[in-house]
Amino acid sequence: KAGVTQTPRYLIKTRGQQVTLSCSPISGHRSVSWYQQTPGQGLQFLFEYFSETQRNKGNFPGRFSGRQFSNSRSEMNVSTLELGDSALYLCASSSRDVKQVIYEQYFGPGTRLTVT
Amino acid sequence: EDKVVQSPLSLVVHEGDTVTLNCSYEVTNFRSLLWYKQEKKAPTFLFMLTSSGIEKKSGRLSSILDKKELFSILNITATQTGDSAVYLCAVEATNEKLTFGTGTRLTIIP
Repeated sequence: KAGVTQTPRYLIKTRGQQVTLSCSPISGHRSVSWYQQTPGQGLQFLFEYFSETQRNKGNFPGRFSGRQFSNSRSEMNVSTLELGDSALYLCASSSRDVKQVIYEQYFGPGTRLTVT
Repeated sequence: EDKVVQSPLSLVVHEGDTVTLNCSYEVTNFRSLLWYKQEKKAPTFLFMLTSSGIEKKSGRLSSILDKKELFSILNITATQTGDSAVYLCAVEATNEKLTFGTGTRLTIIP
């Protein structure tokens, strides 16, 4: 089985621009979560999508948004970029059983975003 | 707000030593606790714990959860240089949100 893929792997943007990151989960996984990882804050949860619906959202401003398509691929969008948005953005896919318990989460390699 | 605290922040030991990493949490409506290993890239899953007092084991790694005292430990015996990584602890609440700790950076000296 192919793993979680994320594109692009590296991105440099300037303040005020917007960016869209893409994540393709493992085949058969319907849950995709997004995380922001910075040296100072660690891994912080952004949001989770399951079957095209946002199930959970972290404490990030509305500039961060996402969506999931019918094939479970997910995109994350950040508008009006700020310097503090520079981070590694990780997506993770997981399978869920009928009780909606997260089993193993498989992370993608991440997109490293640098905002200048 | 849900909170996960890991200690120590970093640890340097010699190959062959045994290490214990700690994770304490304050979570409303706890569901499970997960351990991950992060080397240079993305975290990889190690264990998921839901029941108190039941040890999960995988080779030289083991973990146990204490739901009364709200903590978990990750033990690594006979450490090897390949164990050098950041170890992350995360807690899932019943609303399915995951909260991560900032990690423990483990360095194994040959």
